[in-house]
Amino acid sequence: DAGVIQSPRHEVTEMGQEVTLRCKPISGHNSLFWYRQTMMRGLELLIYFNNNVPIDDSGMPEDRFSAKMPNASFSTLKIQPSEPRDSAVYFCASSAGTGNSPLHFGNGTRLTVT
Amino acid sequence: DQQVKQNSPSLSVQEGRISILNCDYTNSMFDYFLWYKKYPAEGPTFLISISSIKDKNEDGRFTVFLNKSAKHLSLHIVPSQPGDSAVYFCAASGYFGNEKLTFGTGTRLTIIP
Repeated sequence: DAGVIQSPRHEVTEMGQEVTLRCKPISGHNSLFWYRQTMMRGLELLIYFNNNVPIDDSGMPEDRFSAKMPNASFSTLKIQPSEPRDSAVYFCASSAGTGNSPLHFGNGTRLTVT
Repeated sequence: DQQVKQNSPSLSVQEGRISILNCDYTNSMFDYFLWYKKYPAEGPTFLISISSIKDKNEDGRFTVFLNKSAKHLSLHIVPSQPGDSAVYFCAASGYFGNEKLTFGTGTRLTIIP
């Protein structure tokens, strides 16, 4: 089991540019989550999908953020246009979605917007 | 508004002694609580959990205690080992299980050899 795979590991971009983060969940998992980690707020849930359908996007900061899950093995989080305050570590996680099955996190993408 | 609070950003403990990490929550609808451990440059990994119908859950060196009336939980690590040095996140979820976890800001634990 390769675990949750995120790419890229690091992204440095200039303000105003479009950023796309990618995630491959664990095969067979039907729930996928995008979290953002900052020093001040810890891990914040941005959005989660169940069976490829967005269930709760109330954590998405604003319209500059969008997420898609076109199939069970791939999801993207896009920021357009990016701003310096978006700098953070973005984690993708997946779970089997049955009862209280734990979340399995990827190693994150560290985003720096200059 | 932080619904899950970890008021100690850092904690240092001598190797072999007990480490106690604390967590408070404000939402009375939370009924399932978890601890995750995170090493640098890695994602958090699940450590231990507890349901609101229990007040204690033990797994090897790790024990989680839940005090529902105080809306407080704690993680005890006995004995502490150098490999336990990491950031520990407390998390909580509501009736629908862990489909939506609310995390605290984390506590950095350093075990001193």
